[in-house]
Amino acid sequence: GIQVEQSPPDLILQEGANSTLRCNFSDSVNNLQWFHQNPWGQLINLFYIPSGTKQNGRLSATTVATERYSLLYISSSQTTDSGVYFCAALRVGGGFKTIFGAGTRLFVKA
Amino acid sequence: SAVISQKPSRDICQRGTSLTIQCQVDSQVTMMFWYRQQPGQSLTLIATANQGSEATYESGFVIDKFPISRPNLTFSTLTVSNMSPEDSSIYLCSVELNGKGYEQYFGPGTRLTVT
Repeated sequence: GIQVEQSPPDLILQEGANSTLRCNFSDSVNNLQWFHQNPWGQLINLFYIPSGTKQNGRLSATTVATERYSLLYISSSQTTDSGVYFCAALRVGGGFKTIFGAGTRLFVKA
Repeated sequence: SAVISQKPSRDICQRGTSLTIQCQVDSQVTMMFWYRQQPGQSLTLIATANQGSEATYESGFVIDKFPISRPNLTFSTLTVSNMSPEDSSIYLCSVELNGKGYEQYFGPGTRLTVT
């Protein structure tokens, strides 16, 4: 099945700093999503981005499907950005199964 | 998006007992899924809950341990049976909204501790 790798595994930022999180996937995908899991465990949808670029406020994401990677950009980070960021990839073929990466654990210091 | 609720939000259970988790969606959906997130780990798919038929389990998960019901297009339950401390996890249901491609949305999760 498809493999999903995220980097870096851990990231500590000073409030106001920018960061880039990366997600590599091993095969072509039908879906690529980014989630933020807050400290209470809730998974929040950030982007549905199988290809192209999207922006939502201080966050933006780019997926280059032909090169099998996606990037999540966080600008002007805030303490509320802390948590775990997951990317998840779906390849529909032989079933419908979304594979999650191991996540990037982000801590933003005040 | 969809409003997805889960009950209970958390529970502490004795080993050897069973717990049933409910997932309710505010609209009809074709695809519903159950995931497990062990402490400090990523999410792992347990099974796809199929309406009107048996759930489809992923490798490493069996029906006797995690029986699933899906009586209609808005509701599903997951039972964690004969629990051991290794079952302590967050259990999450998710849905794929009809006509939204393959975008998934998640419920708030059930935090289970087995003592």
